[in-house]
Amino acid sequence: RKEVEQDPGPFNVPEGATVAFNCTYSNSASQSFFWYRQDCRKEPKLLMSVYSSGNEDGRFTAQLNRASQYISLLIRDSKLSDSATYLCVVNDRGGSQGNLIFGKGTKLSVKP
Amino acid sequence: EAQVTQNPRYLITVTGKKLTVTCSQNMNHEYMSWYRQDPGLGLRQIYYSMNVEVTDKGDVPEGYKVSRKEKRNFPLILESPSPNQTSLYFCASSLRSGSYNSPLHFGNGTRLTVT
Repeated sequence: RKEVEQDPGPFNVPEGATVAFNCTYSNSASQSFFWYRQDCRKEPKLLMSVYSSGNEDGRFTAQLNRASQYISLLIRDSKLSDSATYLCVVNDRGGSQGNLIFGKGTKLSVKP
Repeated sequence: EAQVTQNPRYLITVTGKKLTVTCSQNMNHEYMSWYRQDPGLGLRQIYYSMNVEVTDKGDVPEGYKVSRKEKRNFPLILESPSPNQTSLYFCASSLRSGSYNSPLHFGNGTRLTVT
């Protein structure tokens, strides 16, 4: 069975801190990687895709390490509004198609 | 407005009474999927569909049925609900599964309680 593993946390950090999450995946053929954000009792929403060369969107940076089969998410200058659960998502087969597998999520709590 | 619509938002029912949770998307997406979310277990996939008339089991299909007769609709059917199916359910769709250019869009969720 294809697996996506995340540290469940919670990560409790002060405002302004930098925090990083990792996610490991078991299928070396996976080609598409994403981070989703889920607020309590709400639907998940796409935060960012993760590209091979790494990518940045404002305070958020995503990295992919194919050799070690993990992806990471770095959040700089944490805001209270960043408090949420962050879900790692990986497609389960090679190519751009395939079923998407969700990790169980990492909970982040940013405190004043 | 582009969206995934699930109904109902909340449902309380009794064991054994058949129910259907509807899911509809207006984005002409090929891929649709159902998930259930339980504390400590994350999102678990129930069924998914790559296109019309094509459905596949996810991780936890037991006790559920789906159909994909039309591209826009992907109903979830519980023929004989049991208390262990009490959960928060999400429907999602994307243009194609796994593509960087087509993220998953989720419905607002259906909170089901089976007594």
